[in-house]
Amino acid sequence: NAGVMQNPRHLVRRRGQEARLRCSPMKGHSHVYWYRQLPEEGLKFMVYLQKENIIDESGMPKERFSAEFPKEGPSILRIQQVVRGDSAAYFCASSPQDGFSYNSPLHFGNGTRLTVT
Amino acid sequence: AQTVTQSQPEMSVQEAETVTLSCTYDTSESDYYLFWYKQPPSRQMILVIRQEAYKQQNATENRFSVNFQKAAKSFSLKISDSQLGDAAMYFCAYRSPNSGNTPLVFGKGTRLSVIA
Repeated sequence: NAGVMQNPRHLVRRRGQEARLRCSPMKGHSHVYWYRQLPEEGLKFMVYLQKENIIDESGMPKERFSAEFPKEGPSILRIQQVVRGDSAAYFCASSPQDGFSYNSPLHFGNGTRLTVT
Repeated sequence: AQTVTQSQPEMSVQEAETVTLSCTYDTSESDYYLFWYKQPPSRQMILVIRQEAYKQQNATENRFSVNFQKAAKSFSLKISDSQLGDAAMYFCAYRSPNSGNTPLVFGKGTRLSVIA
């Protein structure tokens, strides 16, 4: 059973370009979470999605950032007009349809490291 | 809002010795879940151990155990018989049970070095 797959592993963008980060959840999981990890920091929650729905985006910056989880295909985190401060590791996690619990914690991908030059 | 504090940015331990990583949290809830995650240089987030707040017994997973002090809001991780492969960043995390999918709140992490 493949784990949470994120790609690309590394992404380099120049200031002003767009960054697209992809996440395929574990098989059978329909809930996806995106977290951002700044250097020497813990993971900070950004957005929680179910298929075709954004459930909680309280951690998303108000501008330039968007996320989707279509009926078919991976979840996408999109950052428009990137700036140097967007440089970070972006992690995706997934959980089963009935939500994650003590017995079914979040499963994380290996992250995408975004570098903005 | 809940917060998680890890007061030790870095720790080191001799191979085969025991080390304790500290974690405190702030919450007004009476029931919640607590987790320790390990992040090696590969960046993968690996669940190490978890604890339900209503369970008084401290969780144990092989060489990893916790000291959960609910009144003090403390959740420390003890690693016994440390191995070189234990070297990593360790993150303490909190989750509220109030709804099915509330996100994890992480501390800033402790970098553990293991000395051969």
